[in-house]
Amino acid sequence: DAKTTQPPSMDCAEGRAANLPCNHSTISGNEYVYWYRQIHSQGPQYIIHGLKNNETNEMASLIITEDRKSSTLILPHATLRDTAVYYCIVRVAGGAGNNRKLIWGLGTSLAVNP
Amino acid sequence: DAGVTQSPTHLIKTRGQQVTLRCSPKSGHDTVSWYQQALGQGPQFIFQYYEEEERQRGNFPDRFSGHQFPNYSSELNVNALLLGDSALYLCASSPRGRRDSPLHFGNGTRLTVT
Repeated sequence: DAKTTQPPSMDCAEGRAANLPCNHSTISGNEYVYWYRQIHSQGPQYIIHGLKNNETNEMASLIITEDRKSSTLILPHATLRDTAVYYCIVRVAGGAGNNRKLIWGLGTSLAVNP
Repeated sequence: DAGVTQSPTHLIKTRGQQVTLRCSPKSGHDTVSWYQQALGQGPQFIFQYYEEEERQRGNFPDRFSGHQFPNYSSELNVNALLLGDSALYLCASSPRGRRDSPLHFGNGTRLTVT
């Protein structure tokens, strides 16, 4: 089972910030938080990840609470092309098996409206 | 710089047949993972390959097998196809060097079993 919970759907007006929440209350100290999105009929696209500090890249910002039990993905100026399903995933990075197993939930379907 | 490429993009097979799907990882990546995504669901981990060996496996029967070649490309084979095998099959690659490296996904192969 997925270790994260996300709202099933959200709406956002074009040009506004989209704030997507994720709960991961059972996260372990060595687990990272990853965000991916999937536009219809395409493969998932990596957005951003972090361990405990807030992160920002050209696509988004990731805010992780101090207790690491939740996080928020922020798309600062949403466009129609940001309409997609957004997945929040936690995983242990590296390790003996060079772990690449991601456990996915159902994600949040974000609709950006004109 | 080519990303992850998968072939074919679409495939229609009959129950009981066998299928082979192919994946070329992103340049510089040596680890390949395969995922199955049913309609409306998040991807499910099938297995992971590096150094030409299966390193991790999800909860899939032995009908699902794979191979990795010396050039890091990979194949997913499914024998004795069932109607329930109809799904989007995703390949993801990553480099082993950095422990928190995100996975990069291809756009998948849409398999329909009739």
